[in-house]
Amino acid sequence: DSGVTQTPKHLITATGQRVTLRCSPRSGDLSVYWYQQSLDQGLQFLIQYYNGEERAKGNILERFSAQQFPDLHSELNLSSLELGDSALYFCASSVVGRAGGRADTQYFGPGTRLTVL
Amino acid sequence: AQKITQTQPGMFVQEKEAVTLDCTYDTSDQSYGLFWYKQPSSGEMIFLIYQGSYDEQNATEGRYSLNFQKARKSANLVISASQLGDSAMYFCAMRERDDDMRFGAGTRLTVKP
Repeated sequence: DSGVTQTPKHLITATGQRVTLRCSPRSGDLSVYWYQQSLDQGLQFLIQYYNGEERAKGNILERFSAQQFPDLHSELNLSSLELGDSALYFCASSVVGRAGGRADTQYFGPGTRLTVL
Repeated sequence: AQKITQTQPGMFVQEKEAVTLDCTYDTSDQSYGLFWYKQPSSGEMIFLIYQGSYDEQNATEGRYSLNFQKARKSANLVISASQLGDSAMYFCAMRERDDDMRFGAGTRLTVKP
């Protein structure tokens, strides 16, 4: 158990819908990261938050947005869903942000498997 | 350009034998970290081992060790005494200072009884 929690574990929805994925980081971790893992594209970095502020953006679509709340939990919002959004979405957390070093080790949650029908 | 290269899409190893999973990386930075993760069929990503670019000793964590060759820019994972439960996808990753974590495409390891 990494200490990172994600809900829900599974989500099945229809095209055009909107969903919210939730993540609670490990105790003491200030950074939260979101990743998308699909069969054809591997593990793709979406976005990072550090202590409530957006720190880095990766390949995140405009239909997707995220935020980190004062209690450090984070939510990833996916809207106008398409079939191609079906994937495993991971949240990860680390102690620091981009300092370099062991404290950057990211611990992953169990993931949310999203299926868009 | 691809920063992390894992050239072995799939590997087989006999139970109780050692196996080496290859990883090469590309960076011009002096300060960076290298990580290995395991992803079993259940889907979770499990952190295995970390090696810092300035670490002089190869990292070890139980049956996992990292064969770090800085000049060759390689960070191979060695699993000793393979067990059936080691069957999984293994991802190599690198993080340069002030940059995102970059993951390789992964190697699928199958341990045969």
